[in-house]
Amino acid sequence: AQSVTQLDSQVPVFEEAPVELRCNYSSSVSVYLFWYVQYPNQGLQLLLKYLSGSTLVKGINGFEAEFNKSQTSFHLRKPSVHISDTAEYFCAVSDSNYQLIWGAGTKLIIKP
Amino acid sequence: DTAVSQTPKYLVTQMGNDKSIKCEQNLGHDTMYWYKQDSKKFLKIMFSYNNKELIINETVPNRFSPKSPDKAHLNLHINSLELGDSAVYFCASSQELGTDTQYFGPGTRLTVL
Repeated sequence: AQSVTQLDSQVPVFEEAPVELRCNYSSSVSVYLFWYVQYPNQGLQLLLKYLSGSTLVKGINGFEAEFNKSQTSFHLRKPSVHISDTAEYFCAVSDSNYQLIWGAGTKLIIKP
Repeated sequence: DTAVSQTPKYLVTQMGNDKSIKCEQNLGHDTMYWYKQDSKKFLKIMFSYNNKELIINETVPNRFSPKSPDKAHLNLHINSLELGDSAVYFCASSQELGTDTQYFGPGTRLTVL
């Protein structure tokens, strides 16, 4: 069965510093990968997704992620974070039944 | 216009009661979902409903039942509420399963006393 691991439950980072949020998934023949963001007291919204093609995917709010098949990873990056990026970030992968399997989430904490 | 809406936003009730949460989407999507998010933010799929086919997460107790009067609505009924049911419940929709973006509602915070 497909599984998703987000290695860090919390990532504190100073404002304007770069950030990487890590996501690894269990191996599969083909996968579709997603990053969603949940701002405080809100529902989730899509940041970006990888379906096929270029392994570097650009999303909203300056975020990007790179699909690495050999390392079964899909890490999320932003070169310079802002206080408004404070949120919970979820990595997800679709399974063979096209259901999304979710990671446990990473809380991004921006320090002024 | 809100794409995916849920009512109520907050629900406080006693153990043993039966309650419902309503969800409506105006995106014309064919697939709708219910998720449970616990206090540690862990997100668990409960149901997905696609073209009248219901896919149930086998770990969901049968006290929970989805009801879809039409394609735009997927309501969640919960019987005999238990303390462990306290969580935030999210409705979501997408055009298809798997690759399509899911659009989430604002959530319903259920507290069982």
